[in-house]
Amino acid sequence: DAGVIQSPRHEVTEMGQEVTLRCKPISGHNSLFWYRQTMMRGLELLIYFNNNVPIDDSGMPEDRFSAKMPNASFSTLKIQPSEPRDSAVYFCASSWSGDSEQYFGPGTRLTVT
Amino acid sequence: EDQVTQSPEALRLQEGESSSLNCSYTVSGLRGLFWYRQDPGKGPEFLFTLYSAGEEKEKERLKATLTKKESFLHITAPKPEDSATYLCAVTSGTYKYIFGTGTRLKVLA
Repeated sequence: DAGVIQSPRHEVTEMGQEVTLRCKPISGHNSLFWYRQTMMRGLELLIYFNNNVPIDDSGMPEDRFSAKMPNASFSTLKIQPSEPRDSAVYFCASSWSGDSEQYFGPGTRLTVT
Repeated sequence: EDQVTQSPEALRLQEGESSSLNCSYTVSGLRGLFWYRQDPGKGPEFLFTLYSAGEEKEKERLKATLTKKESFLHITAPKPEDSATYLCAVTSGTYKYIFGTGTRLKVLA
């Protein structure tokens, strides 16, 4: 298996623009997680999907952030409008279940100027 | 509130100098404790899962142990390639994954 795939790997955008991050989980995994990592706050869970349904979105910082999982093999995290404080590395991870080990993608480094 | 604390924040070792990393946790109903390794510019890589106090897991130079309040990652005779950030995470009865802030390990040749 190719592992968790994320795109793009790097994204540089201007404040106010819409940003869409993409994730393809490992085939057969029924849980998908979006995380944000910064030096100051470490790894923060943004949202958790189980069987394509959002179960816990309490970590989504504000209404500018939204996530979807239209099918078992694809998820998106959208930021609209983007702000400089959104600059971070965003990781997608998948697992067999919500409380089993997670497998992370390579991340998307987002820079908002 | 569920919480995970890792110490030290950073650790420098000479090659061959064994040491331990600590992960203290406060959760309501531990379902699992996980150790991950993260190299610069990459996503965390799964190492171990521990489920109950007294459990131990080993992989090469790494050994993870678990008590009711903390977990240790013991590194025996480390090599420079063991340099990375080591992350601890727990899942509780709420099925919520909580990560610690990690220990940055540097092993000098």
